[in-house]
Amino acid sequence: KNQVEQSPQSLIILEGKNCTLQCNYTVSPFSNLRWYKQDTGRGPVSLTIMTFSENTKSNGRYTATLDADTKQSSLHITASQLSDSASYICVVSGGSQGNLIFGKGTKLSVKP
Amino acid sequence: DADVTQTPRNRITKTGKRIMLECSQTKGHDRMYWYRQDPGLGLRLIYYSFDVKDINKGEISDGYSVSRQAQAKFSLSLESAIPNQTALYFCATSDPKADRGRLAGSTDTQYFGPGTRLTVL
Repeated sequence: KNQVEQSPQSLIILEGKNCTLQCNYTVSPFSNLRWYKQDTGRGPVSLTIMTFSENTKSNGRYTATLDADTKQSSLHITASQLSDSASYICVVSGGSQGNLIFGKGTKLSVKP
Repeated sequence: DADVTQTPRNRITKTGKRIMLECSQTKGHDRMYWYRQDPGLGLRLIYYSFDVKDINKGEISDGYSVSRQAQAKFSLSLESAIPNQTALYFCATSDPKADRGRLAGSTDTQYFGPGTRLTVL
């Protein structure tokens, strides 16, 4: 079964600290992996998209990594800010129909 | 993203009622999508459309129908609403620069609307 699992479910960190969010997937065949940020009450916003051949991609203070062999990805946030408080969703494109398979998200809270 | 708008933003309705959720976009994108988001679950695709004449079922299309009235408008209808359709509904658009005509393998960025919170009593 095609699945995307994220950990931790929730995380609280202090402003200025770094953090890493994890994503494991069992989607096959694999096409690409995306990270989205979803603020409370708003739609998801794309952060990065990585294909099979890419193992790292950055977007400002956000850096995503992909290990297609172990089917794992991570999102690293550097020098966190209060505005980083949101849910971060890992999405894998693939499967027999090429659908986007969404993880349940990690809820990040950045405290002052 | 203000380029993708959804109406209404909130709606409470009763079981058995017909309801329509509307999505409009000013991005000029060909592809449009409807998703639902439930607490503790990831977003799930209901329907998607590659252009005005193309409509495709997603993962959970039962109980829903759609209409692509124009490139900029994509509506989702619940013919007879039931309580387990209570959820947050998102519309999204994308404009693939490659892989036209298929969803598989596409790397186009999806732009989401603000969502419609629907409650079915």
